[in-house]
Amino acid sequence: GAGVSQTPSNKVTEKGKYVELRCDPISGHTALYWYRQSLGQGPEFLIYFQGTGAADDSGLPNDRFFAVRPEGSVSTLKIQRTERGDSAMYLCASSPSAAPGTQYFGPGTRLLVL
Amino acid sequence: GENVEQHPSTLSVQEGDSAVIKCTYSDSASNYFPWYKQELGKRPQLIIDIRSNVGEKKDQRIAVTLNKTAKHFSLHITETQPEDSAVYFCAAWDSNYQLIWGAGTKLIIKP
Repeated sequence: GAGVSQTPSNKVTEKGKYVELRCDPISGHTALYWYRQSLGQGPEFLIYFQGTGAADDSGLPNDRFFAVRPEGSVSTLKIQRTERGDSAMYLCASSPSAAPGTQYFGPGTRLLVL
Repeated sequence: GENVEQHPSTLSVQEGDSAVIKCTYSDSASNYFPWYKQELGKRPQLIIDIRSNVGEKKDQRIAVTLNKTAKHFSLHITETQPEDSAVYFCAAWDSNYQLIWGAGTKLIIKP
């Protein structure tokens, strides 16, 4: 079946601009996670959704970052007033439930802020 | 909160030899420990996981051991092959429903 998909695969933007990154999880997966990965480091937790609600957004670095999942499926990570330090790979993962278990990752969106 | 440390950061082994990567965690409530493999430019993929009620788990050439008392777990790869070259990440599931990741180990298999 279809895995987790993310669009766009690459995004180049200018400092100060607004960007949206989209994640389409595996059908039926209720849990959805956003991570940020910088080169040479492990994924850094940003936010976790269980259904439509953000169950834990403690990893969002500041109020420029926001994410939604209005219908409990597709999620959008929104970054306002982008900064060069936001440049990274943004990974989305989904899992069947909130219980500890396999997280299935999407291919990621590589964001470059010039 | 949970803190995961992973060693070594780089590991170079001869093809056919074994590789061992070690991780420690801090939260004694953590109960799920996956290992992910990430090839260059690709997404992380789960290769094996272990839950806290088990001490060891094997899947062909890959095994994971868990010592709850010492709060450490290890990945063992036997008979290494060129396609095992990648970055390996350990992770621990903490009590906040977050997966906390180690910094990764770059495994290099020398022909």
